[in-house]
Amino acid sequence: KQEVTQIPAALSVPEGENLVLNCSFTDSAIYNLQWFRQDPGKGLTSLLLIQSSQREQTSGRLNASLDKSSGRSTLYIAASQPGDSATYLCAAINNAGNMLTFGGGTRLMVKP
Amino acid sequence: KAGVTQTPRYLIKTRGQQVTLSCSPISGHRSVSWYQQTPGQGLQFLFEYFSETQRNKGNFPGRFSGRQFSNSRSEMNVSTLELGDSALYLCASTRAGGPETQYFGPGTRLLVL
Repeated sequence: KQEVTQIPAALSVPEGENLVLNCSFTDSAIYNLQWFRQDPGKGLTSLLLIQSSQREQTSGRLNASLDKSSGRSTLYIAASQPGDSATYLCAAINNAGNMLTFGGGTRLMVKP
Repeated sequence: KAGVTQTPRYLIKTRGQQVTLSCSPISGHRSVSWYQQTPGQGLQFLFEYFSETQRNKGNFPGRFSGRQFSNSRSEMNVSTLELGDSALYLCASTRAGGPETQYFGPGTRLLVL
């Protein structure tokens, strides 16, 4: 059974700092890994999806990497802004369907 | 293109009642998945429907059920509501049946009193 863990649970940084969010998973036989953002009381916004055959994906100031052998993924946010404040969730898919297994999330606060 | 829509957005029910939530996927998307989000358990998968067939099911009791219509719209039903069913219920859609980017709706917040 896949288990996904995100550490730390909360993070506070000053504006402009580069930061890394961590995600680990126990079953390396994943199809893909997806990073989401969730604002309070809202749904999830997809940020990046990394296929199992890929090592990383980039979108703007975001870069996500995937290391299946070590069971880890990281989300790198460059030059953080207060608008980046949200909860970031990673989720893995292990079968041919669309069943996501989520981590507990990292609540990020970027202070002006 | 319109995103995933969920109705209603907020709902208050009492224990023992039943509730039906609705999800309309992005136009052209054929897979709909449902998730429950609570502060204690986080996001947990309920079930997935693809082409009107349930393809995957999470570890929830039989009180939780769902279905998908020919236009890909999906409903989930919870019977005999319990206090612990209070949660944000999210649905997500994908274009095809394979594992690809999932797009989430805003959710339905259910409060059981």
